[in-house]
Formats: sequence, C-alpha cells, structure tokens
Amino acid sequence: AAGVIQSPRHLIKEKRETATLKCYPIPRHDTVYWYQQGPGQDPQFLISFYEKMQSDKGSIPDRFSAQQFSDYHSELNMSSLELGDSALYFCASTPGATMNTGELFFGEGSRLTVL
Amino acid sequence: SQQGEEDPQALSIQEGENATMNCSYKTSINNLQWYRQNSGRGLVHLILIRSNEREKHSGRLRVTLDTSKKSSSLLITASRAADTASYFCASSINNAGNMLTFGGGTRLMVKP
Repeated sequence: AAGVIQSPRHLIKEKRETATLKCYPIPRHDTVYWYQQGPGQDPQFLISFYEKMQSDKGSIPDRFSAQQFSDYHSELNMSSLELGDSALYFCASTPGATMNTGELFFGEGSRLTVL
Repeated sequence: SQQGEEDPQALSIQEGENATMNCSYKTSINNLQWYRQNSGRGLVHLILIRSNEREKHSGRLRVTLDTSKKSSSLLITASRAADTASYFCASSINNAGNMLTFGGGTRLMVKP
C-alpha cells in the first residue's frame, strides 16, 4: 500500500541557509501534519493543513512556513536556519472525515542537520 | 512534554517477558493513541483507545485508559527482540481534527 513519501530523506545545511522539505500524502488523504523531533525528544506538532487551508498551528517558528498544494502535497520552508533546527521532520496524513479513524499515517521523516 | 509524560523512560527486559509502559496527560482528551518508533524511523500507529473506553486489546498489546487519573498504560505480552523500539503515547484533544500531542516516549530493549 502507498505510504506517506517525504523528501529529501537527509539534508545538510549551513547556519542562516534555507531548506525546503516535501511531503506527499497517501492518495485520497486530504489532511497533512508536520512534526519536529529533536534528538532524544518527543515529536512536537508544527502545523497542519486540510484541503489546502491551514487547520491548526503548533510551535512552528516564524522563520518556518508551510503550504498545501492542489495535489495535496505539502512543503515546509525553513529560513535563517539555526543549529537548534537540526531534527527529524515528520509529515503525517489522514483521510477525509468518513474514512478517518483518528490514526495518523507517518512518513519516514527528513533528517535535517544544520552545521 | 506539554501534554504527557511517560514512564519509565527506558526499559530493558528479556525475550518472553511482559513490558508495561505508562503515560500521563494533562487535559481532557478525545482519544489516546500509542505509536512505535524504530531508531530514527517513522512513527507507526499501534492502537487507539477512545475517552469512553477503559481497555482495548490488539494481538499482544493491551491498552488501558483511566480518565479520572489522566493516565494510560501499554502492555506488550510475550515480548520479542523485534519489539525493541521507542513507544510514544499521543493524545488527541481537538474534536475537530487529528492533531496529536506526544508524550516523552519509553525506549524498550528486549534482549534475546
């Protein structure tokens, strides 16, 4: 079965650079969530989108922005990168209301290293 | 953690033994879920228990929920080396969506 696809899987950037992470949800899933997991930490919710509109916002820094496109894929843009942004970034998706069991389907994550 | 705490933070057992992990949360919930994460990999959903349920089973997994104590436990019976992973509880506090708030995680090591 198709899963959530994230790219790139690994990314190395210098401080103050920008980075873009991409997420392709499971087909027919209309909601996308972004989570950040620092080393040894629990995942922290950043932001979510439903039908291309922002639905919830968590602890996402102002330097980060995200959007969901017409094909439901989502991109997380990170600017002025700091050392503390080094983390695993997960995308998750859920289907529409009638198929929604409450479970989030996670991708394998994108590991960002800021040097 | 903003929503939950897990204990123990790390657990080491022998294959065949049972593993129990506990989770506490702070606000009223819609449901509570448990996820598994192999090192550096994605999170895999294990089981979901709704706020009006007290116990749920799935294979070797047993989850309990005590809303009066705002706590949940995950029991893995007859553990296997392949169960070695981190286990997170996550609570849904938003009835309009699936936004989850994760707890601190328990690192389980099952020795062959």
